[in-house]
Amino acid sequence: QQPVQSPQAVILREGEDAVINCSSSKALYSVHWYRQKHGEAPVFLMILLKGGEQKGHEKISASFNEKKQQSSLYLTASQLSYSGTYFCGTESSARQLTFGSGTQLTVLP
Amino acid sequence: SAVISQKPSRDICQRGTSLTIQCQVDSQVTMMFWYRQQPGQSLTLIATANQGSEATYESGFVIDKFPISRPNLTFSTLTVSNMSPEDSSIYLCSVVVGPNEQFFGPGTRLTVL
Repeated sequence: QQPVQSPQAVILREGEDAVINCSSSKALYSVHWYRQKHGEAPVFLMILLKGGEQKGHEKISASFNEKKQQSSLYLTASQLSYSGTYFCGTESSARQLTFGSGTQLTVLP
Repeated sequence: SAVISQKPSRDICQRGTSLTIQCQVDSQVTMMFWYRQQPGQSLTLIATANQGSEATYESGFVIDKFPISRPNLTFSTLTVSNMSPEDSSIYLCSVVVGPNEQFFGPGTRLTVL
């Protein structure tokens, strides 16, 4: 079953912060986050394993609440290069990812 | 990470024909997946292609329509058979590197007329 992402779209000014949420109805082994720019393949950002960890990657970080089966991606002081569609992929078994519908992020100068 | 290439990068095909898409990885990987991404949509898993075993297909995808080969640990092919315009999509392979990280190839953009 496809995880639910919110919001569907967000528009920011450069330097502003954003949060993208991903929730699943199934027990999760891990959550993967990707960014995809138009006409390009998804680019791996980070993976969070069950255990409620939080990770950071430059000014992009994420958390994973295993009990709530939710993950959030935090973008701080957004840059123009952050624009794209963000997908969460949830893994319940066998490394198979089920992707959310995506969040389109637009960063304006 | 891994360097993944796909051929062709794009193609325009006639209804009823078949196209074979190749996925090449620069290192040996056990787990490989094929996904489809229709325009403006999310990614949908077609099948898992692990070397040494038959490909396993997700609901809605069948071997007769999407035969897959995985002859070794660095290569796989996906064939889209008897194509119709509904098969127009981007097809991507992905591989698992290390314990958990999954990386995507650049994709093959298929248009069926």
